[in-house]
Amino acid sequence: AQKITQTQPGMFVQEKEAVTLDCTYDTSDQSYGLFWYKQPSSGEMIFLIYQGSYDEQNATEGRYSLNFQKARKSANLVISASQLGDSAMYFCAMREGLTGGFKTIFGAGTRLFVKA
Amino acid sequence: GAVVSQHPSRVICKSGTSVKIECRSLDFQATTMFWYRQFPKQSLMLMATSNEGSKATYEQGVEKDKFLINHASLTLSTLTVTSAHPEDSSFYICSARDGFGTGGKAFFGQGTRLTVV
Repeated sequence: AQKITQTQPGMFVQEKEAVTLDCTYDTSDQSYGLFWYKQPSSGEMIFLIYQGSYDEQNATEGRYSLNFQKARKSANLVISASQLGDSAMYFCAMREGLTGGFKTIFGAGTRLFVKA
Repeated sequence: GAVVSQHPSRVICKSGTSVKIECRSLDFQATTMFWYRQFPKQSLMLMATSNEGSKATYEQGVEKDKFLINHASLTLSTLTVTSAHPEDSSFYICSARDGFGTGGKAFFGQGTRLTVV
């Protein structure tokens, strides 16, 4: 069964506008971590933002914020004021707790295209 | 920030030969490293968890005799693709964590694009 679901294979956004990339997850662990990574065409994985399952406030890192809705098991990434350099593949990931072996698993990814 | 170096970035090898990929954590000790494989336009698939000083833990469906993983020190893990075949051509990427439990960032190497001809 899919543990990380990213339902948007591709997204378009106009430069300077905000965009939300969806991510839902499934786990029975009480303690887990949620991550977002950016992968440009070069292939490197760039860490963007982290949300712990016990964190009460939504994580923010500059233009990135994570809309964490624990009851709905969703961890959407919001990018404000999109820039052309934001065009890339974005992966949502989850690290489960002890029962999940503390492994980080990834969603299928969403390709974001920022239009000038 | 923490840096993970992966080498080589690209390798082309003949079918039947073996290829070794190195993953080094440059400024922190990583007791655990992870090896992923990524097919074109697909997500990262976890292959194995590499534990320093012990045997790697492989994910279901990953041939441990084909993908040999060694984690000899706290800063170095290697993945050896043995008797490579064209279907092994892929992008391999390692990651290392600087924390414990569910926290800590996972830092990634630059990836290795393997082409088997």
